[in-house]
This record gives sequence, structure tokens and C-alpha cells, in this order.
Amino acid sequence: AQSVAQPEDQVNVAEGNPLTVKCTYSVSGNPYLFWYVQYPNRGLQFLLKYITGDNLVKGSYGFEAEFNKSQTSFHLKKPSALVSDSALYFCAVRVSSGSARQLTFGSGTQLTVLP
Amino acid sequence: NAGVTQTPKFRVLKTGQSMTLLCAQDMNHEYMYWYRQDPGMGLRLIHYSVGEGTTAKGEVPDGYNVSRLKKQNFLLGLESAAPSQTSVYFCASRGAGNQPQHFGDGTRLSIL
Repeated sequence: AQSVAQPEDQVNVAEGNPLTVKCTYSVSGNPYLFWYVQYPNRGLQFLLKYITGDNLVKGSYGFEAEFNKSQTSFHLKKPSALVSDSALYFCAVRVSSGSARQLTFGSGTQLTVLP
Repeated sequence: NAGVTQTPKFRVLKTGQSMTLLCAQDMNHEYMYWYRQDPGMGLRLIHYSVGEGTTAKGEVPDGYNVSRLKKQNFLLGLESAAPSQTSVYFCASRGAGNQPQHFGDGTRLSIL
């Protein structure tokens, strides 16, 4: 079985400050990890993924995430937050094998960037 | 590019009614998925398909049926709607390999 935990339902940060949205995972086997963002009344949009290789992954809109195998974490980060980054963020995991490559999503973290 | 298109966008049903949600993708993707999104629960997989003519159960399949008669379309059916099926439904598709899933904008379904 695979699972994802996003321990914070809500994260508030001031514009211009660095932001971190936390994610930890549990899988049997090698994890493939994803971050998605959801704006109001829209579907999820892909931000970045970790498959293999460099532990620091860079994605869209200046976001990056660090894969930490020993801590089973994949935290999303951005050096300087924008008000427009305010949205719902989802972490997702799947194992490297399996025909359908099913994703398991976390419960989501609402990020609010304050002007 | 249209990507993934879901119809309808909104619907209100009475308990016991039936309906079909349509998902269409124009990216020639093999894999398609139906999720439901409920507050505080993230997305839960209802059914999925690994190719035309195939379907399989996900995490929460009860009360739903699906069909994939054409590669570009994935239909989700509710035979006898229940209030517990009030939710936002998302369709997604994915290409081969490690490509990410692409999502539609959802169908907001209320069952009274």
C-alpha cells in the first residue's frame, strides 16, 4: 500500500518570504513523487515530479522540491512567495511498477500568501 | 489545445436518478482516470482505464460504473444517485512512461 501525508491543512506566508509545503510518503519500492496545484473551480495542474536522479527538482512558476529518502519526504519550496501562489497544493506518490501507475494523493494544503 | 474536457460542469440530481459524466481527451493518451474530491480528503480514485475497451476499479468504485468504448472518451455513470455521491468529479488522462496526469476542470454534482 502507498500513502501520502500533508501534515498542514493551511499554510500562511507573507509575500516575498520563502514558503514550504510539507509532504511525507510511504511506499513499498521506489517512489515516484508529484506536486500539483489547484486554483478555485479548476482542475489540478502539474508542478513538478521526482522520478530518479538529483534530489532537488525544479518545476513550474519557480517552485522546487527536495526528495529526502531517509526522511521519506518531498517538501515543496519557493524562495519568494507571490500572492498569486495562493492555491490548494497536493502531493502525490506512486510506485515505479504497476500497469496503471495509480497515484495516491495527500489531503491537500491550502497556501495563502498575504500581501 | 483542449486537453481534457468534462461535461457537464454542474448538475443537480434527485436521489435515485441516474446520469452519465463524459470525459474527452484530445492528447491520444492511453490511460484515463475518474476521481472524486471531497473536502479534507484529497482525490480518491473511482475507476480507471489502461486503454480502449478496458476498465478497472479504484479505491472507491461502489455505486459507479464506467465505459471506455473509444480511446478518447471515458464515461462515468451513476445508476441510482445517493446523497453520499455529492462531490466534485475529476477526470484525468496520462500518456506512456512517467508523464504526469492531465486533469479536466471538474463536474460539480449535487444530489438532493
